[in-house]
Order: sequence, then structure tokens, then C-alpha cells
Amino acid sequence: ETGVTQTPRHLVMGMTNKKSLKCEQHLGHNAMYWYKQSAKKPLELMFVYSLEERVENNSVPSRFSPECPNSSHLFLHLHTLQPEDSALYLCASSQGRDSYYEQYFGPGTRLTVT
Amino acid sequence: LAKTTQPISMDSYEGQEVNITCSHNNIATNDYITWYQQFPSQGPRFIIQGYKTKVTNEVASLFIPADRKSSTLSLPRVSLSDTAVYYCLVVGAYNTDKLIFGTGTRLQVFP
Repeated sequence: ETGVTQTPRHLVMGMTNKKSLKCEQHLGHNAMYWYKQSAKKPLELMFVYSLEERVENNSVPSRFSPECPNSSHLFLHLHTLQPEDSALYLCASSQGRDSYYEQYFGPGTRLTVT
Repeated sequence: LAKTTQPISMDSYEGQEVNITCSHNNIATNDYITWYQQFPSQGPRFIIQGYKTKVTNEVASLFIPADRKSSTLSLPRVSLSDTAVYYCLVVGAYNTDKLIFGTGTRLQVFP
């Protein structure tokens, strides 16, 4: 148990659906991250939030829309996804952006797009 | 960016010491070396971080030579539960551009 929870753990959605992934951290951290991990590919950093402000967006398609309402919660809104978006989506947090190298990851959401 | 190179896979047996070496020839002065562990279908877990010489915690030791162009993660007396992928990262303050996990080293521990 890392102090970072993600829901749902598994999600199957059609290409025309809209869904959201939720992440919550109970560590009092100020920075949160979304990652994508596809089969047999390295972990890819998608978004970085520091004190609820998005500080980095690594050229992620607009069909992925993050939201950070406060420093404990992070959402990833999904719409009009493609089958190649099927992957493990991981959320992480760190104490601050200056300590981003020590991140605490959640268990991930396994997403399947049909 | 300091590119890291580590073996794709390693095999070991329970009770042995495992050393995983990572090379990072272009490491910058203010960069740190960080290691993560990842089990299948789980998020990575931070193991250890160092700048130079030796760092030890309850999980592992990290050896960094004076030139810092490489580092070695040492896992003492591995068990089956240490079977995982281990990532070496070179990171600097505020620069998440360097947060590149790469393909890591897949360690398989046999009974």
C-alpha cells in the first residue's frame, strides 16, 4: 500500500464512450503525475501537476484530458479513445516538484478500448 | 539528457547477491541516480537514490564510483519475491524531462 489509490482498477470502454479515471493520494504531496504503460513499452509520462497547476503536458492527444481539483485528487477524462490507447494507466505523487524523482505510484487502471 | 544503459535481463537464484549495473556517461553535475522496482501490473516503487559513493537502505545498496558514469544496484540475498523489473534513472531537480524509465532490467530469481 503506497498511499496512492486509483479507481477503477479495470475498465473496458468502447471508442465512443466517455469515462474518467480517478487517483487519490493520502500522503500530503503537492505534485501528481499520469503515466501510460503499454505492453512491452517503457513507461510514458503524460501529465504533471504541481500545486494543482498543470506544469507539463508531454504531447498527449486531446482525447485525454486531465483535471486536478486539489492536491489530493487527480482525474484523467477519456473520450473517443482508440484501441491503441489500451494500456495500464498509472498515477503517482511526489512531495513536491523538486522531489519528483521519488514518486509513489498507485496500482494503476488497466484500460481496454474495444 | 543523460541516457542510461542497463542489461535487458538477469537471472539469479534465491539467497544470492545480485548486482545490476547501469551506465550513464553523460550524467550532469547536479543529477542524481535513482532506482525503481516494478512488479507485473503494478506501479513502480522507489528503491534508492544516490549522488556519489555508497548509499544503503533496508532494501538495497547503491554504489557510485567517483566519475559517476555508472552505478550498481546491489540486492543482498534475493528471494523469489525480488523477481521484477528494475529501472535506473538519472534525474535532476525540477527537470521532469529526465524522468525516463527506459526498458529496465528484468530480474528473474529461481528457487
